[in-house]
Amino acid sequence: GAVVSQHPSRVICKSGTSVKIECRSLDFQATTMFWYRQFPKQSLMLMATSNEGSKATYEQGVEKDKFLINHASLTLSTLTVTSAHPEDSSFYICSAPLAGDLYNEQFFGPGTRLTVL
Amino acid sequence: SQQGEEDPQALSIQEGENATMNCSYKTSINNLQWYRQNSGRGLVHLILIRSNEREKHSGRLRVTLDTSKKSSSLLITASRAADTASYFCASNQAGTALIFGKGTTLSVSS
Repeated sequence: GAVVSQHPSRVICKSGTSVKIECRSLDFQATTMFWYRQFPKQSLMLMATSNEGSKATYEQGVEKDKFLINHASLTLSTLTVTSAHPEDSSFYICSAPLAGDLYNEQFFGPGTRLTVL
Repeated sequence: SQQGEEDPQALSIQEGENATMNCSYKTSINNLQWYRQNSGRGLVHLILIRSNEREKHSGRLRVTLDTSKKSSSLLITASRAADTASYFCASNQAGTALIFGKGTTLSVSS
């Protein structure tokens, strides 16, 4: 199956710093990638849709200036949490569908656990 | 936003028993998928059922889909302690993100 990687897997940072999370499709091209956030004991919530070569689409309530998304190539999307605060501590997961797959099976990265002190 | 609900929210059973989890969704879908997540870990894809399918099997897993009721069920037969995890259904329309249900936490005791 298709593989999606994320880096880093875990990051601890001080309040006020910015953190960049990378999502890569390793063996396929992804014109679209999705970013999710999961708080403890909760489900995954869609944050934004990352589109290669164009602006990301954010879900309601997600601040686009705080969560910067860049989809610079067909295999890489990055999520930057700017001026992170403790309430941004969460598990961030990306996914990507295979382009051309009519049923759009999506492949998930292993996630990045962000802890903001 | 979340597509639907799962029930029960929590389920505790003994090893060897069957576990059934239900999922409902709100809008028309392209496919529905079930995932497992162990505590603090990433998602493990279990099974995908397409909107034109009614039932699918994979090992000890059986998934049903009723598009008229906008619901799906996941049955795990002969459960094991290693099945202890959270289970999520997720569905989407073509070209859109998966939207997840709230999940069912399954605890299997030996």
